[in-house]
Amino acid sequence: NAGVTQTPKFQVLKTGQSMTLQCAQDMNHNSMYWYRQDPGMGLRLIYYSASEGTTDKGEVPNGYNVSRLNKREFSLRLESAAPSQTSVYFCASSEGGNYGYTFGSGTRLTVV
Amino acid sequence: SQQGEEDPQALSIQEGENATMNCSYKTSINNLQWYRQNSGRGLVHLILIRSNEREKHSGRLRVTLDTSKKSSSLLITASRAADTASYFCATDEGGRRALTFGSGTRLQVQP
Repeated sequence: NAGVTQTPKFQVLKTGQSMTLQCAQDMNHNSMYWYRQDPGMGLRLIYYSASEGTTDKGEVPNGYNVSRLNKREFSLRLESAAPSQTSVYFCASSEGGNYGYTFGSGTRLTVV
Repeated sequence: SQQGEEDPQALSIQEGENATMNCSYKTSINNLQWYRQNSGRGLVHLILIRSNEREKHSGRLRVTLDTSKKSSSLLITASRAADTASYFCATDEGGRRALTFGSGTRLQVQP
């Protein structure tokens, strides 16, 4: 099925551990995004990539790094996880500009 | 404060009734979008309205945009239990190249 695929779906980390969240889309979209959603709240933008080869910081980039590996894939890395990074992480893609986003199903991350 | 704030935060109605949610934003936009999120799932795009449009329809959804008041409303007509979800508005305020989301309206439709 066409769409945005995120892996893993669930992850528990210990404080200080590192991990990479993977995201891939098969819709040939130019733009990709990483958001986090905390309980009862909306989404906050971590990083985005408007096109292959570019990445930009969003509202809450501290503690994260990203890589736009190619047009399909956009990964999010936590170098040293902290309990404050416990959240649900969503990847999305779009054609950019005046187009809607297609979201993945999310990664539920718990940092203990 | 967050951009794209929805009102009310929570809404409970009976099946068959209409549900109206509102969204306000602070600066100029190119477009405003509405999304639905079922519990434990990702967001699903519902409708996009451009800044030069005033009203848009999609099935049982009706969206209005008033740029002079910097506000939008989402109307769901003849609601169904399956419409139970959280609804978010999102904007590209300030020329940002990524959407900013509000905190959402939780809609409960009682069968």
